[in-house]
Parts: sequence; C-alpha cells; structure tokens
Amino acid sequence: GAVVSQHPSRVICKSGTSVKIECRSLDFQATTMFWYRQFPKQSLMLMATSNEGSKATYEQGVEKDKFLINHASLTLSTLTVTSAHPEDSSFYICSASQDRFNQPQHFGDGTRLSIL
Amino acid sequence: DQQVKQNSPSLSVQEGRISILNCDYTNSMFDYFLWYKKYPAEGPTFLISISSIKDKNEDGRFTVFLNKSAKHLSLHIVPSQPGDSAVYFCAASEAGTASKLTFGTGTRLQVTL
Repeated sequence: GAVVSQHPSRVICKSGTSVKIECRSLDFQATTMFWYRQFPKQSLMLMATSNEGSKATYEQGVEKDKFLINHASLTLSTLTVTSAHPEDSSFYICSASQDRFNQPQHFGDGTRLSIL
Repeated sequence: DQQVKQNSPSLSVQEGRISILNCDYTNSMFDYFLWYKKYPAEGPTFLISISSIKDKNEDGRFTVFLNKSAKHLSLHIVPSQPGDSAVYFCAASEAGTASKLTFGTGTRLQVTL
C-alpha cells in the first residue's frame, strides 16, 4: 500500500528555535499533502493543505508565518515551525493521497515536538 | 462546530465478539467517508472507506455501513481481536480528489480476552 514517511519522529529543542519536519510519499506522487496537529486526547486538526508548486492553504486560526510549508516536489512537503515556543509543543502529522478520485489519505508516523 | 462526531469515547468488547463503532456527521456535502485506526505516538492507519453512492463496504473483518438519510456511519469489526485495541477515528471529505478530511473525536476500543 501507499507509504508516507515523516521525519524526524521526535524533536526536543529550546524556545526560539525553528524546526523543520519532512513528509515524503515513498511510492506515489502527491500533488496535495496535508498537515495536521493533534493535542493529547483530542482529534486531528487540519492545519494546512500543501500544494505542489504553489502556496499552501491554511485553515482558519493557523498562522502562516509561524508554520511555513514548502511543497517543492511531488513527493516532498516540509513544515517549518518558526521561532517555536512551548505552546507549539504538539504531535504533528502529515498525510498524502494519490492523485486519483476517492483515494484515501495515508499518514506519516507523526513528529512529537517538545519545546523547552 | 464539530461536523463529525463520535459520541462514544470508549468501547470495551470481548474477544471474538462484534465491535460496532458509530459516527455521525452534519455536513450534507460530505460524500466520502473513511475509518482510521491509531496507536499512541503513531500516525493513523487507513482501514476502510465508503463513498456516498454505496451503503456498505466490506473488507475482511471490517465492514462500514453508511446511512445517508440519518447522516450516520458505523464500523463493524467481527470477530474482534486483542490487536484491534486502539483509537478509531472516522473522517469525511466533501469531494473525491485529494480533499481535506474532517475527523471525528475518536473512540477508544479495548478488546478483552
């Protein structure tokens, strides 16, 4: 089945640091990828839609200058949390689906971000 | 506004019995529905999906039922196995191709011996 790889799986860093998370579709091309955030014991909340070759589409309430998304190729999207603060600590997950009708999104294993 | 709801936060089922997980939605524009299984500190794993033109889809031990008039879907797992213990999320999208998903709040399934 479709495989999505996310790296790193865990990051611990100091407040003020910028952190980059990579999401790769390993065996298919994805024009669109998605970035989610999950707080403890809560559902996955969509942050933004990453579009290859164009600007990302952010959900209401998500700061685009805080969460920079780059979808440079059909197999790679990156999320950079800029000047991270403790309140940015969360579980970030990406997903991608094949560019065909009604294809399920497949998820990476997530990145646990802890800001000290 | 929670457009996809899973009203049971947890469910306990004995091994070998049927597990039934329920999901309700409010957005009539949703036309594609999915179930995911999730373990802690991992990404969701896709289980099964159904489009709005169907009312049932089956894959091995997993069957999803869709009742469009009631805006309700359910996931049946039979027979339940201890390895099925996880959090199950239902999700919905409005259009077919690479559309964003709206997730429910999740149901924690515990399959006991």
